[in-house]
Amino acid sequence: DAGVTQSPTHLIKTRGQQVTLRCSPKSGHDTVSWYQQALGQGPQFIFQYYEEEERQRGNFPDRFSGHQFPNYSSELNVNALLLGDSALYLCASSPLGGRRLNTQYFGPGTRLTVL
Amino acid sequence: AQSVTQPDIHITVSEGASLELRCNYSYGATPYLFWYVQSPGQGLQLLLKYFSGDTLVQGIKGFEAEFKRSQSSFNLRKPSVHWSDAAEYFCAVHLIQGAQKLVFGQGTRLTINP
Repeated sequence: DAGVTQSPTHLIKTRGQQVTLRCSPKSGHDTVSWYQQALGQGPQFIFQYYEEEERQRGNFPDRFSGHQFPNYSSELNVNALLLGDSALYLCASSPLGGRRLNTQYFGPGTRLTVL
Repeated sequence: AQSVTQPDIHITVSEGASLELRCNYSYGATPYLFWYVQSPGQGLQLLLKYFSGDTLVQGIKGFEAEFKRSQSSFNLRKPSVHWSDAAEYFCAVHLIQGAQKLVFGQGTRLTINP
């Protein structure tokens, strides 16, 4: 049983560019959350997707957007990249999105460097 | 606002020694608490979780944590650490209003001396 997978592993972009990160949830999971982890910090919640809709959003600007596909996989898009967007981006999946409490399982992350 | 505090940024212990990592939370409702571990360059692995019931919970790799409501704490313990336990440890609170959002502490980096 594959866990949460993310691609790519590493990415280098320049300021002003756009980036798309991808996540495939653990088998049987229908809810995907995205987190940003800056160096030396704990992960910060970006947003969560369930039933192909953004269900809740953290304190991130509209430059951060996402999408969930019918197979439950998800994309995180960041436009107009800033140096401060350099971070590890973590995807987490959980089952039964209709239930309020479930354990989130994390992928290995995508390391984004903005130059 | 909900918050999680891990007072120790960096802890060093000798291999075979006992370990306790501290976690305090600020949250008005019944908390659901987690400990995750992160090896360098890796994602987060779930060590253990507390939802309800017995306040002493057992996790993987020989870790345990105790929930103390009176102290708003959820400290992680291990009786004897191994060199492979060197990693970053994160405590998190699960918010139940709305979506399944985790609020993390800043983490504690654990170094093991041989």
